[in-house]
Amino acid sequence: QITLKESGPTLVKPTQTLTLTCTFSGFSFSTSGVGVGWIRQPPGKALEWLALIYWNDDKRYSPALKSRLTITKDTSRNQVVLTMTNMDPVDTATYYCVYRVGATAYYMDAGGKGTTVIVSS
Amino acid sequence: EIVLTQSPATLSLSPGESATLSCRASQSVSSSLAWYQQKPGQAPRLLIYEASNRATGTPDRFRASGSGTDFTLTISSLEPEDFAVYYCHQRSNWPITFGQGTRLELK
Repeated sequence: QITLKESGPTLVKPTQTLTLTCTFSGFSFSTSGVGVGWIRQPPGKALEWLALIYWNDDKRYSPALKSRLTITKDTSRNQVVLTMTNMDPVDTATYYCVYRVGATAYYMDAGGKGTTVIVSS
Repeated sequence: EIVLTQSPATLSLSPGESATLSCRASQSVSSSLAWYQQKPGQAPRLLIYEASNRATGTPDRFRASGSGTDFTLTISSLEPEDFAVYYCHQRSNWPITFGQGTRLELK
């Protein structure tokens, strides 16, 4: 069974850096093709893809946010960390960790509940 | 960037009726399209991948078709638990993108 859990601060101030951690189980970065990433959803709005990291450390970022995002992985701890710099109130959203494995032809799926981030002074 | 346009924005139906949701891509995505279901307060859940394949746990009343730029998700005989927001998603080209969603609501 695949599970993912997002963790991080609920409240950040404008201009601060956000650090989110995704801890997962049920699959491993040791498996070729595996990827873990992040999507977000502002209140009442649509889903937005942010970043993805693959088993081979290849990384992809949303062009709109690329300058502010860094995604890293810790294979031994089954964790993925996303940092987003220079936070702004428009970044207020629920952030979801997503995974892609062979069982679903490497399409993303969310295995956690998401974490709410509010950007406010 | 490939833009996915979903229609209608909102669909009001009753249990037992059938729903047809559309997703149109601004350029061909071949069959590299998925559908997600999201209920209030929950994460999106993968329903359909590669345009027409049901993910594990997706009931067979959900059927999807299409390729290229036009895709359809059909839900036959709606159940109460089907009322949710549905998103399409393409992974054919970077950046991967989502549609703006179709809200399926109780009439």
